[in-house]
Amino acid sequence: NAGVTQTPKFRVLKTGQSMTLLCAQDMNHEYMYWYRQDPGMGLRLIHYSVGEGTTAKGEVPDGYNVSRLKKQNFLLGLESAAPSQTSVYFCASISAGRSWEQYFGPGTRLTVT
Amino acid sequence: AQTVTQSQPEMSVQEAETVTLSCTYDTSESDYYLFWYKQPPSRQMILVIRQEAYKQQNATENRFSVNFQKAAKSFSLKISDSQLGDAAMYFCAYRLATGAGSYQLTFGKGTKLSVIP
Repeated sequence: NAGVTQTPKFRVLKTGQSMTLLCAQDMNHEYMYWYRQDPGMGLRLIHYSVGEGTTAKGEVPDGYNVSRLKKQNFLLGLESAAPSQTSVYFCASISAGRSWEQYFGPGTRLTVT
Repeated sequence: AQTVTQSQPEMSVQEAETVTLSCTYDTSESDYYLFWYKQPPSRQMILVIRQEAYKQQNATENRFSVNFQKAAKSFSLKISDSQLGDAAMYFCAYRLATGAGSYQLTFGKGTKLSVIP
């Protein structure tokens, strides 16, 4: 049981390049989330999914796209990276109902130069 | 929209002493959870303690306890007998308990805690 995993752990991109971050969970959770963490800002929600095939925008969705083709995977895409997207990205998941604990992945540090 | 405010960007405490981290929040809901997360230099988000809004009793977990004041919308974290391993960023977070919604977490901006030997 690996919990929530994220791939890759570190990445450096040049402005304008694209990439996809992969989040995988093996707990059969319905809900999955992508957050970004910037210094002095805490974690902010980018996009989320309430089930396979569904996605929705969070607080800071601009410049990102997501897909949830399989229940266990949640992909975050940057089509044209910008320096403002330099951040640490966290994926999280939770089961539906009155479950209270959200499980976090280890984070991905992305630098856009 | 819900907001979470941590007014202390940084705090320090002597080893073995007690420290209290502050958190206030704003919501019009009555059924929700509040959390404190610890983030050490490894970046991993570690759940420290949670409080269910409908429970009047303050939550405790070993050396960690909270002071939950629902009417005042205040949720502070007390760390007793501070240890060097407690040094980290601490985030206060809020989410709805049930109902329509995404169960997303709303975070404060964090408090960096230093422990002085």
